[in-house]
Amino acid sequence: EDKVVQSPLSLVVHEGDTVTLNCSYEVTNFRSLLWYKQEKKAPTFLFMLTSSGIEKKSGRLSSILDKKELFSILNITATQTGDSAIYLCASMDSSYKLIFGSGTRLLVRP
Amino acid sequence: GAVVSQHPSRVICKSGTSVKIECRSLDFQATTMFWYRQFPKKSLMLMATSNEGSKATYEQGVEKDKFLINHASLTLSTLTVTSAHPEDSSFYICSASRGLAEQYFGPGTRLTVT
Repeated sequence: EDKVVQSPLSLVVHEGDTVTLNCSYEVTNFRSLLWYKQEKKAPTFLFMLTSSGIEKKSGRLSSILDKKELFSILNITATQTGDSAIYLCASMDSSYKLIFGSGTRLLVRP
Repeated sequence: GAVVSQHPSRVICKSGTSVKIECRSLDFQATTMFWYRQFPKKSLMLMATSNEGSKATYEQGVEKDKFLINHASLTLSTLTVTSAHPEDSSFYICSASRGLAEQYFGPGTRLTVT
């Protein structure tokens, strides 16, 4: 059975800290790994990773995929209170189906 | 671009009634739409995959006669929760894909069955 596991489940940091969120996956017919940020409503897209070892960056967020070890990390540097959210990792298979992990709940304190 | 809307955003219904939720891609044609369900403090669970003009493909454990999906056009898919019960109360989210692998999520519909 396909599965995606995220860690930690929750994290509390102070503004300015750097955080690393982890995602491991076991998926048949893997296509891509996606990261989303979910605040009060539906998830918003952050990154889609298809190739191993290539870092994707957007501002203070970056992510990388390791297809050999079957995991991905999401880094957030110089965290701000607005980064507080649930970060979801999802694997996409060859039929474009997404399997989500349980999410990491991040709280950034001022 | 790539905006997906859902209607209603929130609905309360009585047990035994049916509720229809609409998902629309506003500025693109969605070849595939997906329906997810999310329980409080839990992640999204895929319920079904819907392609325009064909029957939806349901995930294991999802009752197709209870959760009716219609994908009548490239911009509209509907999910009807039939004979709703309190355990159907949840946050229902759709997403739309225009065939480039990226899915765009709607804002979600919170269903409460009393």
